[in-house]
Amino acid sequence: AQTVTQSQPEMSVQEAETVTLSCTYDTSESDYYLFWYKQPPSRQMILVIRQEAYKQQNATENRFSVNFQKAAKSFSLKISDSQLGDAAMYFCAYRAGTYKYIFGTGTRLKVLA
Amino acid sequence: GAVVSQHPSRVICKSGTSVKIECRSLDFQATTMFWYRQFPKQSLMLMATSNEGSKATYEQGVEKDKFLINHASLTLSTLTVTSAHPEDSSFYICSARDIEGEAFFGQGTRLTVV
Repeated sequence: AQTVTQSQPEMSVQEAETVTLSCTYDTSESDYYLFWYKQPPSRQMILVIRQEAYKQQNATENRFSVNFQKAAKSFSLKISDSQLGDAAMYFCAYRAGTYKYIFGTGTRLKVLA
Repeated sequence: GAVVSQHPSRVICKSGTSVKIECRSLDFQATTMFWYRQFPKQSLMLMATSNEGSKATYEQGVEKDKFLINHASLTLSTLTVTSAHPEDSSFYICSARDIEGEAFFGQGTRLTVV
């Protein structure tokens, strides 16, 4: 069975600094997608970044980038130049052919002014 | 990106009554919609997968007679919590999948059963 693990329940970062959120997963599939979602206090799930497993190049979206290590089944999120608005719960998620998403337990990110 | 509208955003109901939550894909057709439940400070737990025109597929441990799901059109799925009890109080989130397999989330419904 596929699983997604986020080992950091909470992280803190100083404003303008860089933080990395960790995620590991387990699957026997070769073709899948990985995602990072942000859930602010409004609880609306917002897609931050996605990565296709067949792509070797790490995805980047402005200040957000991932370090995708397929062999190690690791998918970390790096947030550069952290802003107060980045404070939220961050969920790592996996999706394979069934289109069923599997979510990690989340990491609460605090941004310190 | 695509928009998914979930209604109501908050609902309070009396114990023993039923409440219906709607999930609409506003600018795309969604053959599949997903219903999640999220407890405070926890992750999203998939309750069921709803396919247009067919019966929903429920995850293990989810009572299908208690959580009725209907997906009558390509843009609308509903979740009805029947005979609600206080332990059903939670945050419910739907997501709709577009033709490329991408899922978009509704804004969630906070259900309080008193």
